[in-house]
Amino acid sequence: NAGVTQTPKFQVLKTGQSMTLQCAQDMNHEYMSWYRQDPGMGLRLIHYSVGAGITDQGEVPNGYNVSRSTTEDFPLRLLSAAPSQTSVYFCASSYTHRGQETQYFGPGTRLLVL
Amino acid sequence: SQQGEEDPQALSIQEGENATMNCSYKTSINNLQWYRQNSGRGLVHLILIRSNEREKHSGRLRVTLDTSKKSSSLLITASRAADTASYFCATYPGNAGNMLTFGGGTRLMVKP
Repeated sequence: NAGVTQTPKFQVLKTGQSMTLQCAQDMNHEYMSWYRQDPGMGLRLIHYSVGAGITDQGEVPNGYNVSRSTTEDFPLRLLSAAPSQTSVYFCASSYTHRGQETQYFGPGTRLLVL
Repeated sequence: SQQGEEDPQALSIQEGENATMNCSYKTSINNLQWYRQNSGRGLVHLILIRSNEREKHSGRLRVTLDTSKKSSSLLITASRAADTASYFCATYPGNAGNMLTFGGGTRLMVKP
C-alpha cells in the first residue's frame, strides 16, 4: 500500500489564483480529513469526510472547498488564494471516523501565496 | 481555540536523559493520542490512551492520563538524538461528528 499520498509537495501561488491539492489513500479508509499547520502551531481541521459523498466543515473552512466522489480521493480546493493561506497542508485518513484508530497522515503540501 | 495545550513549548535535554511533556485539555474525551513530527515531515502516530485507561507503555514511551485533571503526560526514557522532533497531543471528544483536535506541540531537542 502507498498509504496516504499528497500532490504537489510544493506550490507557489499568486493572490487570487485557484488550485487543487490532491489527496489519495489506498487503504479503503472511510474517513479523510484536511488540516493546515502554521509555523510553530498544531494542526487545525479544515474539512473532513466520513464517507463518499459526505463532507463537513472543520475549524477553519473559509476559503476552501472539498468533495468526496470516491472513497480513495479527497481533493482540497482553494477558490481564491490569499497570503493568509500560506501554510503546510496535511491530509489524513482512518478506517472509521470514530477516532478510535490511528490516523494516517500524508507527507504534506507546502503552499506559499504571494 | 485548541483543545490540547502542550507544556513546555520547547525542551532541550542531553542524550540519555528522560523527557517529559504534558498536555492539558478542556472538554471530556473518548481518547487522547500522541503524535510525533520530524522537521518538515508528516505526523506519525505514537500511542493512543482511552479515557478509562490511566497509563500505557510502548517501548521507551510511557503515557499517563488523568481525566479528573484533564491532563496527560508523555515520558520518553533514555532519550536519543533521533528523538529530536515536535510532539503533539490530540484529543477525540467521542461525539459523532467531532474530530481530533491537536495542541500546539512541544519541540524536543536531544543533544548528543
